[in-house]
Amino acid sequence: LAKTTQPISMDSYEGQEVNITCSHNNIATNDYITWYQQFPSQGPRFIIQGYKTKVTNEVASLFIPADRKSSTLSLPRVSLSDTAVYYCLVGFGKLIFGQGTELSVKP
Amino acid sequence: DTAVSQTPKYLVTQMGNDKSIKCEQNLGHDTMYWYKQDSKKFLKIMFSYNNKELIINETVPNRFSPKSPDKAHLNLHINSLELGDSAVYFCASSRGGGYGYTFGSGTRLTVV
Repeated sequence: LAKTTQPISMDSYEGQEVNITCSHNNIATNDYITWYQQFPSQGPRFIIQGYKTKVTNEVASLFIPADRKSSTLSLPRVSLSDTAVYYCLVGFGKLIFGQGTELSVKP
Repeated sequence: DTAVSQTPKYLVTQMGNDKSIKCEQNLGHDTMYWYKQDSKKFLKIMFSYNNKELIINETVPNRFSPKSPDKAHLNLHINSLELGDSAVYFCASSRGGGYGYTFGSGTRLTVV
């Protein structure tokens, strides 16, 4: 299964756009790229999933270059409630979580 | 109307005891999972069942035994609990394949 690398932590301020990049050099042809958000004392929550190019939903956008060796989660205009750990996963059927990125949004 | 529900939410028990955690999903998903999150926040997959059949069994001590009476339920039984079993255990379900998972809110197990 592809291993992912993402920053351990990031800081931002309310109202800013936050981009979290994840590298996955060994991604397989049938692997999807999925991002989860986890608040303290809660289970991870699905944010967005993509295979190639760009995916957008009401919460975030996911940018995937043509070689698929990396992906970027974009959170528009973050608020304090977006403070959480964000996990990037690649795989099909069996998801392996990495260490995640701890995002801290400040007022 | 919880999608994936786990009980109990908290479990404190003594070393050597046997305990069970229950999980139920009402999403109609075919695949269910158990994950363990340790104090360093790493989420590790333990087991996966598809339509009551075990399909993933990671390197987990055989004191841990999952049971799936039907595709909506996946319970986790732990024998002879040890201090190192203290963690948060998450149940999840999915449609399988590349589809995203829906997680429960977790069971915090503390072994004393």
